Amino acid sequence: SAVISQKPSRDICQRGTSLTIQCQVDSQVTMMFWYRQQPGQSLTLIATANQGSEATYESGFVIDKFPISRPNLTFSTLTVSNMSPEDSSIYLCSAERQGRETQYFGPGTRLLVL
Amino acid sequence: GDSVTQMEGPVTLSEEAFLTINCTYTATGYPSLFWYVQYPGEGLQLLLKATKADDKGSNKGFEATYRKETTSFHLEKGSVQVSDSAVYFCALSYGGATNKLIFGTGTLLAVQP
Repeated sequence: SAVISQKPSRDICQRGTSLTIQCQVDSQVTMMFWYRQQPGQSLTLIATANQGSEATYESGFVIDKFPISRPNLTFSTLTVSNMSPEDSSIYLCSAERQGRETQYFGPGTRLLVL
Repeated sequence: GDSVTQMEGPVTLSEEAFLTINCTYTATGYPSLFWYVQYPGEGLQLLLKATKADDKGSNKGFEATYRKETTSFHLEKGSVQVSDSAVYFCALSYGGATNKLIFGTGTLLAVQP
């Protein structure tokens, strides 16, 4: 398995501002992902964070709203830009080693936008 | 498109009761199937998985069998404990270059002493 940490664990932000969430994995992984879990709902994939290239976004998510970086094999960031109350969610990072077909999740970042 | 359907919760059981949480899927190919658990205030943890038809995943007394004929992956446990209280998510993925997990809506399990 992989140990994944996220920072911050929670935050309260004002609308119109941006927040960058960090995800750190304890070992090199092939794939990293960002998910959103809206209150009382299931998880939805936002994007796949690609090392050294632009992230691959799912339908309904765009780079201007959720810019993602992945500078190396153990670290990624997700920025939630120009936030509104509708962005209040838990944001989770996950990681997978090549060929293992199992994703491990970080503890999540609980975001509240006022 | 691919999807996962779970029984709605909450499911409330007494300690030592038998647990079944139903999960069915719709898939265009042959995915791997997973159960993840989310304890209160925590992130998701992988509970068990099965990668092909008739495989049985098991962990911590929980079991689920990949049934291709009924497109199901029901989660079972013979005797639940209070510490099993959590939200359980069924999910599928295809692996490979775009290993996207598709989750069900989650089922809240509450076990009472």
